[in-house]
Amino acid sequence: TQLLEQSPQFLSIQEGENLTVYCNSSSVFSSLQWYRQEPGEGPVLLVTVVTGGEVKKLKRLTFQFGDARKDSSLHITAAQPGDTGLYLCAGEETSGSRLTFGEGTQLTVNP
Amino acid sequence: ETGVTQTPRHLVMGMTNKKSLKCEQHLGHNAMYWYKQSAKKPLELMFVYNFKEQTENNSVPSRFSPECPNSSHLFLHLHTLQPEDSALYLCASSQGQGGYEQYFGPGTRLTVT
Repeated sequence: TQLLEQSPQFLSIQEGENLTVYCNSSSVFSSLQWYRQEPGEGPVLLVTVVTGGEVKKLKRLTFQFGDARKDSSLHITAAQPGDTGLYLCAGEETSGSRLTFGEGTQLTVNP
Repeated sequence: ETGVTQTPRHLVMGMTNKKSLKCEQHLGHNAMYWYKQSAKKPLELMFVYNFKEQTENNSVPSRFSPECPNSSHLFLHLHTLQPEDSALYLCASSQGQGGYEQYFGPGTRLTVT
């Protein structure tokens, strides 16, 4: 099973600040997904990246897939309290049989 | 009803009890999954079903028994659980098996006493 490491594990910032969270692996993934999970709910898909070097934007969120398809980052600009949640990355193994999830980054944005 | 629903949302059971978790998806998907989410651990895939057939059992103890009567419904039957089985159990579905986008239910928060 391919391992995905997310950093930081916990992040607490003030409203309006920028932040970046990382998802790294020593293995190659054919695609990578980012999810956000709020307390008491299941994860909700934010984006899927499939091409090395790909950048996708979702309002104030910018997702990038590494050139070698081994890592990804999520950058949030001008964070808001509504961004609070657990951010999970999940990679599709090249065999296409399953998703491997990282441990997640718990983000808290304070008003 | 839309999306993926799970019942119950919360469950407290003793180690000698038998209970079942239910998941239903209204998305027309063909693949369904059970995950276990514990604090400070990655989501752990437990079982995968594709077109009602089990395609993955990730070395899950036999005290967890899945059932998939059709592509829209998935159950997890529980018996003689241990306290360390306490966790959030998430159901998900996707169009097909593999790297398709997964849609999760809200989960069942299970506490084993």
